[in-house]
Amino acid sequence: VLTQSPATLSLSPGERATLSCRASQSISSSFLAWYQQRPGQAPRLLIYGASSRAIGVPDRFSGSGSGTDFTLTINRLEPEDFAVYYCQQYGNSPPLLTFGPGTTVDIK
Amino acid sequence: QLQLQESGPGLVKPSETLSLTCTVSGRSIGTHSFHWGWIRQPPGKGLEWIGTVSYSGNTHYNPSLRSRVSISVDTSKNQFSLQVNSVTAADTAVYYCVTYLFTELDVHYYYGMDVWGQGTAVVVSS
Repeated sequence: VLTQSPATLSLSPGERATLSCRASQSISSSFLAWYQQRPGQAPRLLIYGASSRAIGVPDRFSGSGSGTDFTLTINRLEPEDFAVYYCQQYGNSPPLLTFGPGTTVDIK
Repeated sequence: QLQLQESGPGLVKPSETLSLTCTVSGRSIGTHSFHWGWIRQPPGKGLEWIGTVSYSGNTHYNPSLRSRVSISVDTSKNQFSLQVNSVTAADTAVYYCVTYLFTELDVHYYYGMDVWGQGTAVVVSS
């Protein structure tokens, strides 16, 4: 089970966003991903392997963490960054995929 | 460029079967280490993994849906399909098809769902 906090983060453009994802048991960093979903759009992969940026993702997005605690950091929020962010775990054996409930980053 | 496109009816009656197809272009569905799956999102809610079929045809399902769900592959058409039986209003959602790379050589590594279809809305209603 993945939990995300906070549920909502209200910030201004230019500020830093720090989003948390906690797993109920330790998982390999190789199996943790983050997604961004803007209203009316399909989710977009941001981070895989806990800290590797997907192709085309700006470097203001960074991921970190290990074990049960993972973090997505967005430096210098741009207007297009206000969206919902999901962490997601790949359970290796058996291969079951789980999403966290999401964190909404909205404009303060 | 790899693209996924969902297709299927937008309205399904309660107790009937929901059937969707994902057409893959830009990569063979049998390409080693690539997996193909379905995700859904009820209105105003989060993302739920439904199930996955691997490049070799192995399937895995969300335990909460396993009794009603089936994913199959048509390699001749480069498509994979989803069936959900005995639908109720709770199955109303936007359904996405996705793909991801998972390597199983010396080290297991999951590269995330990097390509998503645009999503197709399915409403269960009489």
